[in-house]
Amino acid sequence: EAQVTQNPRYLITVTGKKLTVTCSQNMNHEYMSWYRQDPGLGLRQIYYSMNVEVTDKGDVPEGYKVSRKEKRNFPLILESPSPNQTSLYFCASSGVGQGHTGELFFGEGSRLTVL
Amino acid sequence: LAKTTQPISMDSYEGQEVNITCSHNNIATNDYITWYQQFPSQGPRFIIQGYKTKVTNEVASLFIPADRKSSTLSLPRVSLSDTAVYYCLVANHLTSNTGKLIFGQGTTLQVKP
Repeated sequence: EAQVTQNPRYLITVTGKKLTVTCSQNMNHEYMSWYRQDPGLGLRQIYYSMNVEVTDKGDVPEGYKVSRKEKRNFPLILESPSPNQTSLYFCASSGVGQGHTGELFFGEGSRLTVL
Repeated sequence: LAKTTQPISMDSYEGQEVNITCSHNNIATNDYITWYQQFPSQGPRFIIQGYKTKVTNEVASLFIPADRKSSTLSLPRVSLSDTAVYYCLVANHLTSNTGKLIFGQGTTLQVKP
């Protein structure tokens, strides 16, 4: 089954404690991206990756890091989480180029609370 | 990057047709228009995509005027299960330098019995 898997789905942590949210896709997609969703603000892009070892900033990258060492994985790293990073996070992937519609496949979300 | 504007919320009743319009005045020549549906506590999922004129699938229709500066998602005969947030996205995924995406605030559709 084609899917994007995020872990953990729920996490409560404290300010300053480094954490990583993993994202994995099994569709051999080149493109992967991270979003945060906050009430009244819709989906905002944090980082994206066009392919392995190619990453770039979205609209709200401050406080986040990413890496793309393998095609299927795109982890989101919060080096020193702060309460304003409390949010619902989504990972998505898509094929790029001819033969692809650009349809984004989203994970189920990771709800992060930073105390 | 094309920014989009949608109504924040809409109400409807079961069995009615619902039209949600998205404005995207600075759409680029190679941009496609894609609509996503999101239920609470779930990731958004693809509904329909179009470039121009009209596209129809088993779930919805998408109307795009000739100037492409707006688009309308049409949901025929909605049911309670269509209550969700609907996002319009304008982007070009056919080249390698278009990774930055801007989603709008989305439209919260509430379907009442």
